[in-house]
Amino acid sequence: KNEVEQSPQNLTAQEGEFITINCSYSVGISALHWLQQHPGGGIVSLFMLSSGKKKHGRLIATINIQEKHSSLHITASHPRDSAVYICAVFGAGSYQLTFGKGTKLSVIP
Amino acid sequence: DAGVIQSPRHEVTEMGQEVTLRCKPISGHDYLFWYRQTMMRGLELLIYFNNNVPIDDSGMPEDRFSAKMPNASFSTLKIQPSEPRDSAVYFCASSLGWGQGSAFFGQGTRLTVV
Repeated sequence: KNEVEQSPQNLTAQEGEFITINCSYSVGISALHWLQQHPGGGIVSLFMLSSGKKKHGRLIATINIQEKHSSLHITASHPRDSAVYICAVFGAGSYQLTFGKGTKLSVIP
Repeated sequence: DAGVIQSPRHEVTEMGQEVTLRCKPISGHDYLFWYRQTMMRGLELLIYFNNNVPIDDSGMPEDRFSAKMPNASFSTLKIQPSEPRDSAVYFCASSLGWGQGSAFFGQGTRLTVV
């Protein structure tokens, strides 16, 4: 079973700061998923990636398959980015999905 | 498209009753996922379908849980009989292709079993 570790667990940032959330996993994967869960509970899928880097607006996700590590970056952070960010990995050769425990981000004006 | 639609948004039921949660995926999406979220266990994948066929149900906790997808526009998750430990938020999500883009989540159904 894949072990998924996210760091940090909690993060408080000032508006405008550059933010990095990390995700490490123990076993090879077929894809990695970054999710955002807002305080109201709604979940938004941010990225699904299996290699390289993806960018959407102020969000950037990278993955290093060899190092079994992914990062989610937020540039010019804003209070509306305050949410829990969850990393999830799909096992290689299987469809099992393992979730990290999430990183709670608070961006202060 | 209105996005993934789940119903009901909230459900309160007594232990032992049957509960049916419903999901309408985004039109054209070929993958549908059912998740459960609790404080203790976080998010868990219960089951997912590809082209209406269940692919992996290893996340379904026990035989009291069953899921169906009779057509491309509708899926149900049924719990019979329900127990207090089934109380959670149940999310449905759909996606186009596997790993080719994002999945879209419904607003979730908050289930409380008393």
